Amino acid sequence: EVQLVESGGGFVHPGGSLRLSCAASGFTFSSHWMHWVRQAPGKGLVWVSHVSSEGSSTSYADSVKGRFTISRDNAKNILYLQMNSLRAEDAAVYYCARDFQASGFDYWGQGALVTVSS
Amino acid sequence: QSALTQPASVSGSPGQSITISCSGARSDVGSYKLVSWYQQDPGKAPKLIIYEVSKRPSGVSNRFSASKSGNTASLTISGLQAGDEADYYCCSYAGSSTWVFGGGTRLTVL
Repeated sequence: EVQLVESGGGFVHPGGSLRLSCAASGFTFSSHWMHWVRQAPGKGLVWVSHVSSEGSSTSYADSVKGRFTISRDNAKNILYLQMNSLRAEDAAVYYCARDFQASGFDYWGQGALVTVSS
Repeated sequence: QSALTQPASVSGSPGQSITISCSGARSDVGSYKLVSWYQQDPGKAPKLIIYEVSKRPSGVSNRFSASKSGNTASLTISGLQAGDEADYYCCSYAGSSTWVFGGGTRLTVL
């Protein structure tokens, strides 16, 4: 059974940093692109970042470019999102999701809540 | 990276059919057959219900169908059921390894 389990969410002040992790199991992690998608409270889904299967290629939404870094450890089956210079507007539930043929995201974690407030 | 445009809400009675539109641009929906749709219940993670414009993952009811014309994609749910009440999101590949979601549509089954 495919499982994605996020961790690392929490409260942080504006300007602070946080690192999210997503532990993957039940599939060959190293064969799949992976993504982070976020959802602010009461708002819609927003794609945040993508990483290729081997980790050599990454991409970001304009809103997080230069502040967030996606990475992966294929030996440990873990996806990461390092979030720096956090802003109030970054507050959201962050989901890790498995890529499906570049056409969508077929498995999602339960989400990690990030709260940014002074 | 502008969000795709969806109606904020749609509603229908049990047994009826509804269609949710998803309007994008030539740079995303209009250029790629990589549109997907998601169903999200409150407090839950989204569920993939359509990929590559019109394909259904295994286990998704054939009451869900979708298509694309130009820069606009559409999701149709036929034979509405109370359990279909949820938020629905479209998503499109937008080039350069970026993706864009729609703002979401709340479906109410009357």
